[in-house]
Amino acid sequence: SYVLTQPPSVSVAPGKTARITCGGNNIGSKSVHWYQQKPGQAPVLVIYYDSDRPSGIPERFSGSNSGNTATLTISRVEAGDEADYYCQVWDSSSDQVVFGGGTKLTVL
Amino acid sequence: QLQLQESGPGLVKPSETLSLTCTVSGGSISSSSYYWGWIRQPPGKGLEWIGSIYYSGSTYYNPSLKSRVTISVDTSKNQFSLKLSSVTAADTAVYYCARHTSSWDAFAIWGQGTMVTVSS
Repeated sequence: SYVLTQPPSVSVAPGKTARITCGGNNIGSKSVHWYQQKPGQAPVLVIYYDSDRPSGIPERFSGSNSGNTATLTISRVEAGDEADYYCQVWDSSSDQVVFGGGTKLTVL
Repeated sequence: QLQLQESGPGLVKPSETLSLTCTVSGGSISSSSYYWGWIRQPPGKGLEWIGSIYYSGSTYYNPSLKSRVTISVDTSKNQFSLKLSSVTAADTAVYYCARHTSSWDAFAIWGQGTMVTVSS
């Protein structure tokens, strides 16, 4: 089955840029979605179809997808961005939704 | 504003069947071409998709759980349900229901989640 690989953790200072990667075989040919999950809360969609932002999500959140890596970029990181982030795709070869293992973003 | 709410027993015994319901409010479960899914998250771990159902009733499941999972929809009650049979401690998790527009689409709306513990 299709595997999505995320780094377990990423640390960034406030005001800097955080980049969270999601690796998968030819992931650039798939649509990638990103979720933010804070402790004790349900996930919230922050990026869909690689780079689109739902209403209410700050412009500081952006996404890209090419080759074997999709990237969630958070600019001007704030303390409130500290959370777990998950990428997700649909694997048409096995007809299933696949989530990455998640990345814990720590704001220093 | 569409809202989803999970409900069901918080404790299930090993080998029994876990049953959860997701109630949709603020909109009709059958009014548009939406998919309704279940996702779970074991304590301290990541998200795992369980399966989804189209508003018309067609389903697709995670292959690793397919033999134990049944998802159904009750349009008269504006609900969809999850049944997971022969549960073990490994099925202990927070269970979320969520909505997506197509199989490849993002889960844009989520319920708050409900914790289910499998223990005797």
